[in-house]
Amino acid sequence: GESVGLHLPTLSVQEGDNSIINCAYSNSASDYFIWYKQESGKGPQFIIDIRSNMDKRQGQRVTVLLNKTVKHLSLQIAATQPGDSAVYFCAENTPYNNNDMRFGAGTRLTVKP
Amino acid sequence: SQTIHQWPATLVQPVGSPLSLECTVEGTSNPNLYWYRQAAGRGLQLLFYSVGIGQISSEVPQNLSASRPQDRQFILSSKKLLLSDSGFYLCAWSVAPPGYTFGSGTRLTVV
Repeated sequence: GESVGLHLPTLSVQEGDNSIINCAYSNSASDYFIWYKQESGKGPQFIIDIRSNMDKRQGQRVTVLLNKTVKHLSLQIAATQPGDSAVYFCAENTPYNNNDMRFGAGTRLTVKP
Repeated sequence: SQTIHQWPATLVQPVGSPLSLECTVEGTSNPNLYWYRQAAGRGLQLLFYSVGIGQISSEVPQNLSASRPQDRQFILSSKKLLLSDSGFYLCAWSVAPPGYTFGSGTRLTVV
């Protein structure tokens, strides 16, 4: 079946640099997307979401970009800090699928001091 | 405020033993409840979801079962654990899908 995928399984950045985590989704009917952050041994935590009628949404130090033409989602983290080290998941919702979220495999972000 | 409790945090069980993981939600009514499993270094696999008391939907055939005896209680069970049941189990809730709030997870090791 269709699933959410990620371009890179791991990403290593220097503290203070900006990070970009990418996600490719395959279901053009998906209308809502969420980025989650999962620290080691913990459950995923909501970071930011975006609806399909938007192409950009900003939060505190994070920005999500949605390109529906190429079915691509990205999470940008500004001035990356050691506390940002975690696994980041993108998730998509398709309305006809009981509103269940489908998750990708995740990208592990490591921030080097 | 709305909170979700999941326990135990870690569990080591022998092959063939039973399993019972519990998840409870506070501060909300009639939530959608979900059980996910996460293998090491992998994404989240939806196991079961429930839209109400006694209503359970299974996503994949497996050695596990789920029950919802009360509105805000969701239980994951097995009669006989397999080695392949090892993983990180996460409970989640949603009152206005989509978008979930996750519990802290249970790391299950079957030995």
